[in-house]
Amino acid sequence: SYELTQPLSVSVALGQTAKITCGGNNIGSKNMHWYQQKPGQAPVLVIYRDNNRPSGIPERFSGSNSGITATLTISRAQAGDEADYYCQVWDSNTGVFGGGTKLTVL
Amino acid sequence: QVQLQESGPGLVKPSQTLSLSCIVSGASISSGAYYWSWIRQHPGKGLEWIGYIYYSGSTYYNPSLKSRVSMSVDTSKKQFSLRLSSVTAADTAVYFCARARTGGYYFDYWGQGTLVTVSS
Repeated sequence: SYELTQPLSVSVALGQTAKITCGGNNIGSKNMHWYQQKPGQAPVLVIYRDNNRPSGIPERFSGSNSGITATLTISRAQAGDEADYYCQVWDSNTGVFGGGTKLTVL
Repeated sequence: QVQLQESGPGLVKPSQTLSLSCIVSGASISSGAYYWSWIRQHPGKGLEWIGYIYYSGSTYYNPSLKSRVSMSVDTSKKQFSLRLSSVTAADTAVYFCARARTGGYYFDYWGQGTLVTVSS
């Protein structure tokens, strides 16, 4: 079965840029999606199809996807960005999530 | 405004069947643009996709759960349902229903989630 690999945790200083990676075999050939989840809440879609932001998601959130790594970039990080972030693809008619990355804003 | 709301028992006994429903408002459950999905999250863990159902009734399930999962859709009631049989403590989780776009397969709307505990 297809697997996505994320770092367990990423730290970023307030106002700086955070990059969260997601690795998988030939991941550049798949549509990558990213979700933000805060404690006790449902996940929220922040990036779809590699680099598209849903309505209401700040421009500070962006994505890229090529080769074997996809990256979620959060510019000018704010305290409110502290959350778990999950990448997700669709493979062989199956939804696949990465293990999640906890973003800490220092 | 699209909203999804899960409902069902919060406590299920081992070996019994977990049953949850998800009511959809603000969107047509009969639209061919969406897959209606279930996703779960074990306490303190990541997200696990359980499966989806299309408005026509066609389904696809996570191979790891396939033998125990069934889903149904009732377009007249604007709801879809999940049944998970022979549950154990390992099925204790927060269960989310979500809408997936057929073009891109991303989950754009989620229910708030409901905690189901498997315990005698």
